[in-house]
Amino acid sequence: NAGVTQTPKFQVLKTGQSMTLQCAQDMNHEYMSWYRQDPGMGLRLIHYSVGAGITDQGEVPNGYNVSRSTTEDFPLRLLSAAPSQTSVYFCASSYQQGGVSKNIQYFGAGTRLSVL
Amino acid sequence: SQQGEEDPQALSIQEGENATMNCSYKTSINNLQWYRQNSGRGLVHLILIRSNEREKHSGRLRVTLDTSKKSSSLLITASRAADTASYFCATVYQGAQKLVFGQGTRLTINP
Repeated sequence: NAGVTQTPKFQVLKTGQSMTLQCAQDMNHEYMSWYRQDPGMGLRLIHYSVGAGITDQGEVPNGYNVSRSTTEDFPLRLLSAAPSQTSVYFCASSYQQGGVSKNIQYFGAGTRLSVL
Repeated sequence: SQQGEEDPQALSIQEGENATMNCSYKTSINNLQWYRQNSGRGLVHLILIRSNEREKHSGRLRVTLDTSKKSSSLLITASRAADTASYFCATVYQGAQKLVFGQGTRLTINP
């Protein structure tokens, strides 16, 4: 049981490049989400999904796309990377029964992204 | 932003002392959760307190919730060096499916 797996762990991009951050969970969780963490800003929610085929925006969705074609995977796409997207990105998942507030979030180890 | 606010932003104490961190939030919530993040790692869940609970214990952790003041506190008793980490509160506002985090308290336990 691997939990939440994020790949890659580190990535350096040039401005304007695109890439996909991968997130996979093997716990059959309905709820998945992406956060970015910047110094002094805590975690900010980018996008989330309450199940396959359903996604919604969080606090800071601009510049990011997501899709949820399977329960297990929730990739985050950067369409045209900008230096402001330099951050640490965390994926999390949980059960959905009773609402996300009632369920423990399991986090991946993070992806450290630098955009030059 | 709907984030909660944590206080203090940083806390440094001696090993064996108690550490108290506070979290305030803005609107009515269903539940409140606390998480810990060790340096360079993902967050790990510590404790969940429901909106109809006032206090909850888990080992050396004690969490209180005051819905009238829209605040929560996390107390770590008899601190250890291994407690050095950042601590975050997280809330979901009623009717929402978004879990939002505070900015965190960075706790340092000095030997």
